[in-house]
Amino acid sequence: EVQLVESGGGLVQPGRSMKLSCAASGFTFNNYDMAWVCQAPKKGLEWVATISYDGSSTYYRDSVKGRFTISRDNAKSTLYLQMDSLRSEDTATYYCARQWSFDYWGQGVMVTVSS
Amino acid sequence: DIQMTQSPSFLSASVGDRVTINCKASQNINKYLNWYQQKLGEAPKLLIYNTNNLQTGIPSRFSGSGSGTDYTLTISSLQPEDVATYFCLQHSSRPFTFGSGTKLEIK
Repeated sequence: EVQLVESGGGLVQPGRSMKLSCAASGFTFNNYDMAWVCQAPKKGLEWVATISYDGSSTYYRDSVKGRFTISRDNAKSTLYLQMDSLRSEDTATYYCARQWSFDYWGQGVMVTVSS
Repeated sequence: DIQMTQSPSFLSASVGDRVTINCKASQNINKYLNWYQQKLGEAPKLLIYNTNNLQTGIPSRFSGSGSGTDYTLTISSLQPEDVATYFCLQHSSRPFTFGSGTKLEIK
């Protein structure tokens, strides 16, 4: 059974950093591109970033370029999102997803950016 | 960026009704269109991928159609457990973009 479990969220002050993790199981992690998607409170979904199966390529939405870094450790079957210079508008639930048609998603982790 | 215009934003229907939800892309997305169901407090669940392919384990009352810029999700006979918000996603080109959602309730 495919499972994606996010961790690392919480309350953080504007301008500070936070790192999210997503532990994957039930499939061959290093065969798949992976992604982060966010959903602000009572808002729609937004794609945040994608990383290729081997980590060689990364892609970001414009609003997070230069502030967020997606990475992965295939030996640990874990996906990461390093979020720096956080802003109030980054407040959202963050989901990791397997990017083969975004077919499996984690339960999400809440990130609140507030002073 | 490709804009996805989803309609309606809210839908109320009776059990057994046929329900349709639409997504219109601002440019041709070559059938790279998925549909998701999201229940309150849960992660999105993939229903249909690449326009008309039913994800494993999803009931056959869900179906998808479309091409070019216009896509439709159909629920052939609405069930009480279908109460949820439905989103479309275009994964034709980055940045991947979602529709704004359709909240479906039972009358």
